[in-house]
Amino acid sequence: NAGVTQTPKFRVLKTGQSMTLLCAQDMNHEYMYWYRQDPGMGLRLIHYSVGEGTTAKGEVPDGYNVSRLKKQNFLLGLESAAPSQTSVYFCASSNLVGGASSYNEQFFGPGTRLTVL
Amino acid sequence: QQQVKQSPQSLIVQKGGISIINCAYENTAFDYFPWYQQFPGKGPALLIAIRPDVSEKKEGRFTISFNKSAKQFSLHIMDSQPGDSATYFCAASDRGSTLGRLYFGRGTQLTVWP
Repeated sequence: NAGVTQTPKFRVLKTGQSMTLLCAQDMNHEYMYWYRQDPGMGLRLIHYSVGEGTTAKGEVPDGYNVSRLKKQNFLLGLESAAPSQTSVYFCASSNLVGGASSYNEQFFGPGTRLTVL
Repeated sequence: QQQVKQSPQSLIVQKGGISIINCAYENTAFDYFPWYQQFPGKGPALLIAIRPDVSEKKEGRFTISFNKSAKQFSLHIMDSQPGDSATYFCAASDRGSTLGRLYFGRGTQLTVWP
């Protein structure tokens, strides 16, 4: 199993350009997440999905859109890139394990390093 | 508003020493507290986690201490090794929520000198 994969690994954009980041998971997870990681700011949730066809906003959703047309894929789009979107983007997936011993282990991809000039 | 506060931001420890990272939260609905470890160029990965029905959980050299009344929890790394050099994130979630969200601290960059 590949786990969580992200495409591309690196990208440089000019201000105003658009792009789509692709996340794929082969663990049949219901939940998928997009985070951005910036120095000193930790992992901030951009958007997430609790199942195929659903999406929801996280804490920093402005300037991003997402789609979850297939259960295994979660796409993150930047319609008009800005230098403030220079970051490392991580996708994660999980299944909630129910009951008294429930927990939510999120499995992360290797990240996409995006630079916006 | 930051849901989980983590300190210190960076930590330097001698090989063989004890590394301690602290986290605090306010939301009393949180009932699952994992720690993630991230090596340079990689995604974070679950290291160890605790539920509030116990005050301590130990896995090898890694121990989580949990203080429910103070709403604080900490990671202790005993006999720290250069291979432990990484960024560590604490997190919290409400298992009763169907949203499955984890709220992360801002991370601690640990450097263990040989």
